[in-house]
Amino acid sequence: QVQLVESGGGVVQPGRSLRLSCAASGFTFSSYGMHWVRQAPGKGLEWVAFISSDGSDKYYADSVKGRFTISRDNSKNMVYLQMNRLRGEDTAVYFCARDKGQRYIDQWGQGTLVTVSS
Amino acid sequence: EIVLTQSPATLSLSPGQRATLFCRASQSISTSLAWYQQKPGQAPRLLIYDASSRFTGIPARFSGSGSGTDFTLTISSLEPEDFAVYYCQQRDKWPPTFGQGTRLEIK
Repeated sequence: QVQLVESGGGVVQPGRSLRLSCAASGFTFSSYGMHWVRQAPGKGLEWVAFISSDGSDKYYADSVKGRFTISRDNSKNMVYLQMNRLRGEDTAVYFCARDKGQRYIDQWGQGTLVTVSS
Repeated sequence: EIVLTQSPATLSLSPGQRATLFCRASQSISTSLAWYQQKPGQAPRLLIYDASSRFTGIPARFSGSGSGTDFTLTISSLEPEDFAVYYCQQRDKWPPTFGQGTRLEIK
């Protein structure tokens, strides 16, 4: 069965960096685009970033453009989110998610909590 | 970016009743809309894509309709496990965007 397991969350000070990882299994990872979606405490869903199956195309939300970088390693079935210059408003649960095709999301991890606080 | 507005914010109904949730897009998105269900402490789950196609394993009581700017998610007869938050999402234009959610609660 499809599994997406995020790691790397935690408490970090404003202005610092954090890298999230997502380990994928149960499907042919290299055939799927991948997303990161976040959810601030008690709030709705916010799409963050997308990477195509071969890593050649990347898209970002305006709120993170220039600060976050999405990447993947198809040899390891991993996707990453490098988050730099973190702000309080980046505090959220970050979900790793699989693109069904055409930018719908059909599989989600359980999420990892990032808290930006001094 | 395309803004999705969901209504109502909260819907209070009883098991067995019919639920109708709405999603309006700020511009036409054809049928490029999905619906997700999220329960507390869980990840979202895809229910409907392309406005009206049920995803694998989703019960037939869930149906979607609409095109252009106005969309509807209908749950024909509520089961206890259907009480959750529902989000719509458009994929017509980058960036993909979500509505703010409708909380379906037990009356």
